[in-house]
Amino acid sequence: ELKVEQNPLFLSMQEGKNYTIYCNYSTTSDRLYWYRQDPGKSLESLFVLLSNGAVKQEGRLMASLDTKARLSTLHITAAVHDLSATYFCAVDRLTSYDKVIFGPGTSLSVIP
Amino acid sequence: DSGVTQTPKHLITATGQRVTLRCSPRSGDLSVYWYQQSLDQGLQFLIQYYNGEERAKGNILERFSAQQFPDLHSELNLSSLELGDSALYFCASSPIGTSSYEQYFGPGTRLTVT
Repeated sequence: ELKVEQNPLFLSMQEGKNYTIYCNYSTTSDRLYWYRQDPGKSLESLFVLLSNGAVKQEGRLMASLDTKARLSTLHITAAVHDLSATYFCAVDRLTSYDKVIFGPGTSLSVIP
Repeated sequence: DSGVTQTPKHLITATGQRVTLRCSPRSGDLSVYWYQQSLDQGLQFLIQYYNGEERAKGNILERFSAQQFPDLHSELNLSSLELGDSALYFCASSPIGTSSYEQYFGPGTRLTVT
């Protein structure tokens, strides 16, 4: 059974600092996603990582994927308050049925 | 605005009742996914449709069913509702059958079962 873990689950950081959120999954996965959710809002797609070694960057966020280690990271550079949100990673596999499994989410609070 | 619409935004109903949630995907997207988000279970994938056909099934209860119509909108039917079904229900759409591409999420329907 595919399981997805994230750590930390809660993160409070100061503006201007760097930090990394980790996403581990238990079995082979074909695709990994990162989403952002603001309180009371829907999910916004941040990154889709399709292959080992994939790295994508958007603004202060950079995501990477190591399929051998079954690990993805979301790195935050010089955090700003607007990045405060919950970040989810999700994985799926190319089985006969696609299934998407979400991690528990990391609640990020950036303090001025 | 993702281009995915969901109605209604809020729904309050009693245990034992049946409700229907509606989703209209982005123009041109053939695939629709349904998700449930609750404090207890987190985000869970329920079911996926592609061009009218069921494509994948996740943790969807037997009391729940869905369909995708020829105009590609989708409905999620929840019956014999229980208190534990209270949650935020999202639909998402993507251009093709597999989830190789990012999914665009609708604003969600908040269901409260009393």
